[in-house]
Amino acid sequence: QSALTQPPSASGSPGQSVTISCTGTSSDVGGYNYVSWYQQHAGKAPKLIIYEVTKRPSGVPDRFSGSRSGNTASLTVSGLQAEDEADYYCSSYAGSNNVLFGGGTKLTVL
Amino acid sequence: QVQLQESGPGLVKPSQTLSLICTVSGGSISSGDYYWNWIRQPPGKGLEWIGYIFYSGSTYYNPSLKSRVTISVDTSKNQFSLRLSSVTAADTAVYFCARAWAPRKTTLRYFDLWGRGTLVTVSS
Repeated sequence: QSALTQPPSASGSPGQSVTISCTGTSSDVGGYNYVSWYQQHAGKAPKLIIYEVTKRPSGVPDRFSGSRSGNTASLTVSGLQAEDEADYYCSSYAGSNNVLFGGGTKLTVL
Repeated sequence: QVQLQESGPGLVKPSQTLSLICTVSGGSISSGDYYWNWIRQPPGKGLEWIGYIFYSGSTYYNPSLKSRVTISVDTSKNQFSLRLSSVTAADTAVYFCARAWAPRKTTLRYFDLWGRGTLVTVSS
């Protein structure tokens, strides 16, 4: 099984919106409602920011939202802030007790 | 609140076995709603799921690593462990332990709690 496909980089100015894609197949992203997104600041552990495609854990700002169309999931960060600069990873259940991660996207706030 | 902490040698020689322990504090590892995972991240690269264990001892491994991985659990110590055999430089990575929500031992849904990670370098 291959990793999920994410763009290596994304950027936006403060206050703007940025969307990061995560492309898989009908056997993972498109086949289960278990897509999640993680934010990782440099030198830190990943932090869950979106789960089950669209849900947000308590404490995560509503500037972060998730969606899916077919085999591609997306993370949108609205009203970009300096502290949003980080690496973002998607993950999906892939059947048969397997889990896949995306390659990660480095988000730069200009 | 529940916390996870990885521990183990930071340097392992090629062809030897990497061994790490994750200690769970502030809660019980014997919950029926969580899987306990190992995930790694080579320097400057992305995340790779290694495998998970349920408190009863059921395990599932990444097919690409399955032949070299063993994950075990010690409920009396509230710990779970990783062993990765025949390591090479490609196994150099930060190793994270993480908790995954899986209500009533169903499908793994997401990783809601992570340890800080520990860097393991494979070098002679």
